[in-house]
Amino acid sequence: EDQVTQSPEALRLQEGESSSLNCSYTVSGLRGLFWYRQDPGKGPEFLFTLYSAGEEKEKERLKATLTKKESFLHITAPKPEDSATYLCAVQFSWGQNFVFGPGTRLSVLP
Amino acid sequence: DADVTQTPRNRITKTGKRIMLECSQTKGHDRMYWYRQDPGLGLRLIYYSFDVKDINKGEISDGYSVSRQAQAKFSLSLESAIPNQTALYFCATAQGPYNEQFFGPGTRLTVL
Repeated sequence: EDQVTQSPEALRLQEGESSSLNCSYTVSGLRGLFWYRQDPGKGPEFLFTLYSAGEEKEKERLKATLTKKESFLHITAPKPEDSATYLCAVQFSWGQNFVFGPGTRLSVLP
Repeated sequence: DADVTQTPRNRITKTGKRIMLECSQTKGHDRMYWYRQDPGLGLRLIYYSFDVKDINKGEISDGYSVSRQAQAKFSLSLESAIPNQTALYFCATAQGPYNEQFFGPGTRLTVL
């Protein structure tokens, strides 16, 4: 069964303390990997799409990277407003739907 | 105005009641989805629709039904609500098969 896992489940950082979130998948073929940010009580907000190993995307303090079996979301010098749950979703080559990971809950303390 | 709207935003109901959640979008997207979110389980797909005449079951469709009334409207019904359907429900839209999804604000449903 195709699965998507994320680690860590929760992460607490001090403001300015860089770190990375992981999204791993067991997959028979990857079509695309999507990162979303979700604030409490709100719907997920799209951040990035990655399609092939070696691809990188950046937006402000966030950089997403992709290998053959996992993706990382790097957060550089985070600020308290970066606190949220970060979700990854995988679209497999055999279908058109998305499988979501359980998310990483990030807290950035001032 | 929000591109994807959901009503109601919060709902408390009793076991056995029929309930409908509604989703509307102004993005002009062809694809619409219903997900539920439970703590620690992530988003799970209930139903999806690629156009008005195309409705498909997702991973966890048992106990749910849907209606695509128009390209812009997609409703989710619980015919006889049960407590384990208590969850956060999200509607999402996408244009085409390989593009990102856009989510509504969610409906928090509690079944007593």
